[in-house]
Amino acid sequence: NAGVMQNPRHLVRRRGQEARLRCSPMKGHSHVYWYRQLPEEGLKFMVYLQKENIIDESGMPKERFSAEFPKEGPSILRIQQVVRGDSAAYFCASSPQGVGVLNQPQHFGDGTRLSIL
Amino acid sequence: EDKVVQSPLSLVVHEGDTVTLNCSYEVTNFRSLLWYKQEKKAPTFLFMLTSSGIEKKSGRLSSILDKKELFSILNITATQTGDSAVYLCAVERSGGSYIPTFGRGTSLIVHP
Repeated sequence: NAGVMQNPRHLVRRRGQEARLRCSPMKGHSHVYWYRQLPEEGLKFMVYLQKENIIDESGMPKERFSAEFPKEGPSILRIQQVVRGDSAAYFCASSPQGVGVLNQPQHFGDGTRLSIL
Repeated sequence: EDKVVQSPLSLVVHEGDTVTLNCSYEVTNFRSLLWYKQEKKAPTFLFMLTSSGIEKKSGRLSSILDKKELFSILNITATQTGDSAVYLCAVERSGGSYIPTFGRGTSLIVHP
C-alpha cells in the first residue's frame, strides 16, 4: 500500500538547466498538489491538478514553472532555466478527491530536494 | 490573504516535559484546521479540527480549536526524543480549491 512517491529524492542542477520532479499519488487518489518549502518556512502552495487538468495554479510563478498530470503516469513539476533561488524542497501531496469534497487531509510524499549550483 | 501564525518558532525541552504549541489564524470562510508532524521527510497528518471546543486525542498528543478566538493548541505530554520534529499548522477555507495555508511551523527538540 504505497504512499505518495516522489523522485528523485535529491536533484542537483546547474543554473540554466531544467529540473523535472515526479510525483505518483497514492493508489486511488486522482488529485495532486505541489508545494515548495524553503528552510525554516512553511509549505507554500504552488499548483493543484486533477488528471489532465490544472485546477488551481495561483501559487506557481508564471515563468519557467509548469506542471502536468497526464492520464497515464506521474505528475511532473518542471522548472526551466533554473536559478539559485529555486533551491528548495518540493513536496507533492494527493487526495482521493478534492480535499473539500470528502473533508479528508492530504497525504504527502517525502519530497525532492533541489539544489542549484 | 489567509494567515497562519505559529508560536513559538522553536522549543527545546527534556524528555518527560509537557509542551503546548500554538496556532492562530485569519481566514475567510474557515473550514478546518490541520496539524502535521514533519521530521526529515514527509509531513504526516495528526489532526483535523472543524468544531470549537472538541478535543481530539491520539496517545500523548491532543489538540483543540477555538473558532471564536481563532486559534488552536497542540499539546504533547510526557515528551520523548521521537517527538522531535517540526509541527505544522494549516487552515482550509470553504469554497474554491480548499487549498490549505500553512504556518511556518514550530521546531521542537526533545533532549534525553
